[in-house]
Amino acid sequence: QKEVEQNSGPLSVPEGAIASLNCTYSDRVSQSFFWYRQYSGKSPELIMSIYSNGDKEDGRFTAQLNKASQYVSLLIRDSQPSDSATYLCAVKETNAGKSTFGDGTTLTVKP
Amino acid sequence: SAVISQKPSRDICQRGTSLTIQCQVDSQVTMMFWYRQQPGQSLTLIATANQGSEATYESGFVIDKFPISRPNLTFSTLTVSNMSPEDSSIYLCSVVVYNEQFFGPGTRLTVL
Repeated sequence: QKEVEQNSGPLSVPEGAIASLNCTYSDRVSQSFFWYRQYSGKSPELIMSIYSNGDKEDGRFTAQLNKASQYVSLLIRDSQPSDSATYLCAVKETNAGKSTFGDGTTLTVKP
Repeated sequence: SAVISQKPSRDICQRGTSLTIQCQVDSQVTMMFWYRQQPGQSLTLIATANQGSEATYESGFVIDKFPISRPNLTFSTLTVSNMSPEDSSIYLCSVVVYNEQFFGPGTRLTVL
């Protein structure tokens, strides 16, 4: 079993819809959780960090964390074609160095 | 966050040659890593670049093939030695700042 698993995708949603990206992790000591966006041909860009159970909102993005279920998700409201990218989930022990990354979910937002 | 630059941004190399990729960070960072990512694939960690000591390599990666230098807290190099077409990939430098991990723009390497 992989340490960080994401929806295999690809995920396709119409413009204006809510895109839901999911991630589960196996290591209960993980305390820091991140979402990265990676456009084709570009490097990963950190878009959200979440450390506590519950929701964290930043503009159209909401990260949700449930440590008991070892589950983290990213919701993108009012999806735009510019949101089309691969989204990577990452987890780590706080201050423990590098993160463990999922394989990513590719999102396509259709106009 | 951190501003990370890499040189070169891309290169096309002949089989059997070596290429050195540079990574420069705009601030001192303790933790620095090298990844590679083949098109459409996930990130693969090559090694942790340790300042003042030998890099720590992940399983499947060896120093002879991927020598790494880290002379100070803002700079590192990764050399891809004796290249083959299988080394064609994007190579990414990454750092951790205040518990968050950031990536450089990457070096796209094509080996013919």
